[in-house]
Amino acid sequence: NAGVTQTPKFQVLKTGQSMTLQCAQDMNHEYMSWYRQDPGMGLRLIHYSVGAGITDQGEVPNGYNVSRSTTEDFPLRLLSAAPSQTSVYFCASRKRGTYNEQFFGPGTRLTVL
Amino acid sequence: AQSVTQLDSQVPVFEEAPVELRCNYSSSVSVYLFWYVQYPNQGLQLLLKYLSGSTLVKGINGFEAEFNKSQTSFHLRKPSVHISDTAEYFCAVSDQKNQGGKLIFGQGTELSVKP
Repeated sequence: NAGVTQTPKFQVLKTGQSMTLQCAQDMNHEYMSWYRQDPGMGLRLIHYSVGAGITDQGEVPNGYNVSRSTTEDFPLRLLSAAPSQTSVYFCASRKRGTYNEQFFGPGTRLTVL
Repeated sequence: AQSVTQLDSQVPVFEEAPVELRCNYSSSVSVYLFWYVQYPNQGLQLLLKYLSGSTLVKGINGFEAEFNKSQTSFHLRKPSVHISDTAEYFCAVSDQKNQGGKLIFGQGTELSVKP
């Protein structure tokens, strides 16, 4: 099992550019989430999904889109990047019924100039 | 809604000394509680969790935490730390009725173990 994988590991964007952060898991987990990590603020939930075709907003959804067409993949799209979106992004997954024990990917470090 | 406060942003400690990382939470409903560890340039790993039952929970790498409902706390402890414990530690809470995978994290505590 590869677990939760994220690509790319690093990315630099210019303000206004768009991009997609990829996340995949091979554990057949129903639930997947995206978090951003900023110094002194812990991890904040951006969007989450409880299954293919179902997504919902977290604490900080503005400027991000998600979709879940398969169980395995949960991409995060930045529509028009802003410097405030400079952060480390983590994808996580968990199986339904396991009391929120989440498995995290290695992260994507994004810089927006 | 829930919130989590980690009372110390940085904790420096000497090797083999005991350590306590403090976590307080706020919630109007029953919760599950977690501690995660993040080693430099890595993702998060689950250290331990409290779901129900005994209030003293043992985790990996010799860590343990005690759930105190009256004080709404879930402090993490280790009796003797190693250099390899240097990492950032996050306390997190989840509403027991929430099955959507939403974890609320604290701000994190950087544990720095010095020789």
